[in-house]
Amino acid sequence: EVQVLESGGGLVQPGGSLRLSCAASGFTFSSYVMNWVRQAPGKGLEWVSFISGSGGGAYYADSVKGRFTISRDNSKNTLDLQMNSLRAEDTAVYYCAKGRLNWNDGSMDYWGPGTLVTVSS
Amino acid sequence: QSALTQPPSASGSPGQSVTISCTGTSSDVGGYKYVSWYQQYPGKAPKLMIYEVSKRTSGVPDRFSGSKSGNTASLTVSGLQAEDEADYYCSSYAGSNNLVFGGGTKLTVL
Repeated sequence: EVQVLESGGGLVQPGGSLRLSCAASGFTFSSYVMNWVRQAPGKGLEWVSFISGSGGGAYYADSVKGRFTISRDNSKNTLDLQMNSLRAEDTAVYYCAKGRLNWNDGSMDYWGPGTLVTVSS
Repeated sequence: QSALTQPPSASGSPGQSVTISCTGTSSDVGGYKYVSWYQQYPGKAPKLMIYEVSKRTSGVPDRFSGSKSGNTASLTVSGLQAEDEADYYCSSYAGSNNLVFGGGTKLTVL
């Protein structure tokens, strides 16, 4: 059974940093792109970042470029998101989502339950 | 990376059909065949329903169908059922390894 589970959310002050992790199981992790998608309270979905199966390619939404870094450890089946210089507008539930393919056509077939990040003083 | 445009709400009675639109540009929806649709219940993670414009994910009822014309994609739910009441989001590949979501549509079954 495919499972993805996020961790690491919490309350952080503006300008601070936080590292999210996602543990994956039930599939050949290195064969699929992985994504981070966020949803601000009461708002819609926003794609944040994705990383290729090998980890050699990482891509970001303009809203987080230069502040967030995505990475993966294929030996441990884990995905991370390092978030720096956090702003109030980064407050959201962050989802880890498995890509359906080994490249990103935008389809994500398995999602974790999400982890809440709150940026507030 | 502007969000795709969806109507905020849509509704229909049980058994009826409803169509949700998703409008983008030639740089996203109109330029690629990679439009996906997600269903999300309150407090839950999204679920992939449709990919590549019109292909249903395994287990999704054939009451759900997708299509595209020009810069607008559509999700049609036929034979509406109470369990279809949820939020629906479209997404599209937008070139240069970018993805974009729509703002979401709240579907109400009257």
